[in-house]
Amino acid sequence: NAGVTQTPKFRILKIGQSMTLQCTQDMNHNYMYWYRQDPGMGLKLIYYSVGAGITDKGEVPNGYNVSRSTTEDFPLRLELAAPSQTSVYFCASSYAGLNSPLHFGNGTRLTVT
Amino acid sequence: KQEVTQIPAALSVPEGENLVLNCSFTDSAIYNLQWFRQDPGKGLTSLLLIQSSQREQTSGRLNASLDKSSGRSTLYIAASQPGDSATYLCAVANAGGTSYGKLTFGQGTILTVHP
Repeated sequence: NAGVTQTPKFRILKIGQSMTLQCTQDMNHNYMYWYRQDPGMGLKLIYYSVGAGITDKGEVPNGYNVSRSTTEDFPLRLELAAPSQTSVYFCASSYAGLNSPLHFGNGTRLTVT
Repeated sequence: KQEVTQIPAALSVPEGENLVLNCSFTDSAIYNLQWFRQDPGKGLTSLLLIQSSQREQTSGRLNASLDKSSGRSTLYIAASQPGDSATYLCAVANAGGTSYGKLTFGQGTILTVHP
């Protein structure tokens, strides 16, 4: 039972570099989400997808891009990393959107210096 | 704009004690509310999901209640154990308007249960 798998677990980037955070789920969930968690700020939705080929912006999409070419994978791309993107990033999925519980990965801790 | 507040921010109790965690939200137009548990360095685990038409949900030693009209939910943990130590977060799914279906999270309550 892998559930939601995120890679890498940790990453340090220099300002201006780019990277892709990987997320894959093996539960055949249509709905997938990317959140960031900052200390004392709660989780904020970056992007979400309701199925392969469909993505939409969340609360804080600036500086990020996503794609959803398959049901299983939902990578998050950071272009031109900035210190404000230092955070813990969580990918989540659900069977029936917000009608059903969210399943989270263990997160990627990103530091931009 | 929906705001979710969790009180207290931290709670320390002796093993065996029954305890209540509180969650309040400003906009009662919600679709549902979820309680999550987060262990250090890990993702969130969904504990209970309460639909807006429900008053409570139970799972083992956990009971969550929802009073939509007053904008409040509580998570009751019976006979607490050291393994219950974690951060507990509530999240509200907002109904209607441009925020339909998006979750608004509280900042969490850090629970420590000491032997």
